[in-house]
Amino acid sequence: GQQVMQIPQYQHVQEGEDFTTYCNSSTTLSNIQWYKQRPGGHPVFLIQLVKSGEVKKQKRLTFQFGEAKKNSSLHITATQTTDVGTYFCAGRDGGSQGNLIFGKGTKLSVKP
Amino acid sequence: NAGVTQTPKFQVLKTGQSMTLQCAQDMNHNSMYWYRQDPGMGLRLIYYSASEGTTDKGEVPNGYNVSRLNKREFSLRLESAAPSQTSVYFCASSAGVAGNTIYFGEGSWLTVV
Repeated sequence: GQQVMQIPQYQHVQEGEDFTTYCNSSTTLSNIQWYKQRPGGHPVFLIQLVKSGEVKKQKRLTFQFGEAKKNSSLHITATQTTDVGTYFCAGRDGGSQGNLIFGKGTKLSVKP
Repeated sequence: NAGVTQTPKFQVLKTGQSMTLQCAQDMNHNSMYWYRQDPGMGLRLIYYSASEGTTDKGEVPNGYNVSRLNKREFSLRLESAAPSQTSVYFCASSAGVAGNTIYFGEGSWLTVV
C-alpha cells in the first residue's frame, strides 16, 4: 500500500539555524499537506500543495512539492524557539479516494 | 468556536475494562476520524466515517469499534482494553475525505495498566 516516509526523525538546531524536513511517497500523490504539532498539543494544519513543482511560503516557512508529485519538503529559515514541535506531512495516493497517509513526523528542537 | 471536542482528556483503565471516547464537531463536517499516536509511529488511522451512516476500518482497527451517532458525533469504543492500547487518541474531522484539511481535537491520553 501507499507509504509516506519522512526524514529526519529528529533534528536539533541552534536558534537562528535553518531546518529542513523531507517527505517521500512510494506512489504519486494527488496532494500533500503539512501539519505542526506543538509539544503536548494536537496537529494543526499548515498548508496544502496540489500542483507539480508548487512552492508556497508562509513567513519563514517554505514548502515545496516535487515535479513528480512523489516528494515534498518544508524548510524553515532562521529557526526560532517558537518553531519547536513535530512536523508531519500527509499525502493521498493520486489514484485512489483513500484517506491521507501521515508520515511519522520530524521532531524539531531549537536551542536558544 | 469549539471545533473538535473529545472527552475524556485523561483516563487510566485496567486491562480488560471497557470505555468509550466521545467526539463531537461543530463545523458541519461530513468526515470524521479516530487516530492513535505512539512515540516514533506518527499518526495511525484507527477508523473513519466518510459520511453520516458509514464507518470504515483504517490502518489499525483491531480492538476498537466506532459509532457515527449523527453528523456531529463519532465515538470510539475499547471493548476489552489491553496495555498495547496505551496511547494518545485524536479525533478529527474534515469537510470530505478527498483533499480536505483535517481538524484535530486536543487528544485523549489513555493508559491501560
